[in-house]
Amino acid sequence: DAMVIQNPRYQVTQFGKPVTLSCSQTLNHNVMYWYQQKSSQAPKLLFHYYDKDFNNEADTPDNFQSRRPNTSFCFLDIRSPGLGDAAMYLCATSSGQATSYNEQFFGPGTRLTVL
Amino acid sequence: AQKITQTQPGMFVQEKEAVTLDCTYDTSDPSYGLFWYKQPSSGEMIFLIYQGSYDQQNATEGRYSLNFQKARKSANLVISASQLGDSAMYFCAMSSLWNRDDKIIFGKGTRLHILP
Repeated sequence: DAMVIQNPRYQVTQFGKPVTLSCSQTLNHNVMYWYQQKSSQAPKLLFHYYDKDFNNEADTPDNFQSRRPNTSFCFLDIRSPGLGDAAMYLCATSSGQATSYNEQFFGPGTRLTVL
Repeated sequence: AQKITQTQPGMFVQEKEAVTLDCTYDTSDPSYGLFWYKQPSSGEMIFLIYQGSYDQQNATEGRYSLNFQKARKSANLVISASQLGDSAMYFCAMSSLWNRDDKIIFGKGTRLHILP
């Protein structure tokens, strides 16, 4: 089945130790998104790619970076994780066809713990 | 700017009863879409139902229906015959249409508890 895959599902890192979360998709979608979601809160968009065009949200800290080497893969890099970065990180995709209806498809998420 | 408001932080409902989750929105876009997502404790966001601002009829998907009242800017989710598996967080969301980036904004969510 076509889907959005996130690895790993659970990630533990140490304070200040760089960590990379990965997302892949088999939907051949143009747009890939990264969200941060803290407990009992709504997902917060960090940034998204339209194809190779990177779009950063204004309030996303510099500590968060992203790479999209090809259509299928997108990575979230946290350069120096702090305790406040512990959260669920959700990857999503959409077709980006600029039509009247474009659902976002979400991966299962990676739950990041910072020790 | 767009805004989604969900005023019910939590709800408790008896199994097999119908439940309505409230959502109001604000936008200056002439064309927009409204979504409901379910998020179980496992964390995955599951798409439930969609309503376009231009749709004349309310959307339905199985036990889910969307009570869309455009003049009131409300898009309430109705779940008929609730089941224990419906216990989850529910998010109302909105996007602008005809926008290739498909960005959506979420409400704060409603945590639904179904009681046996």
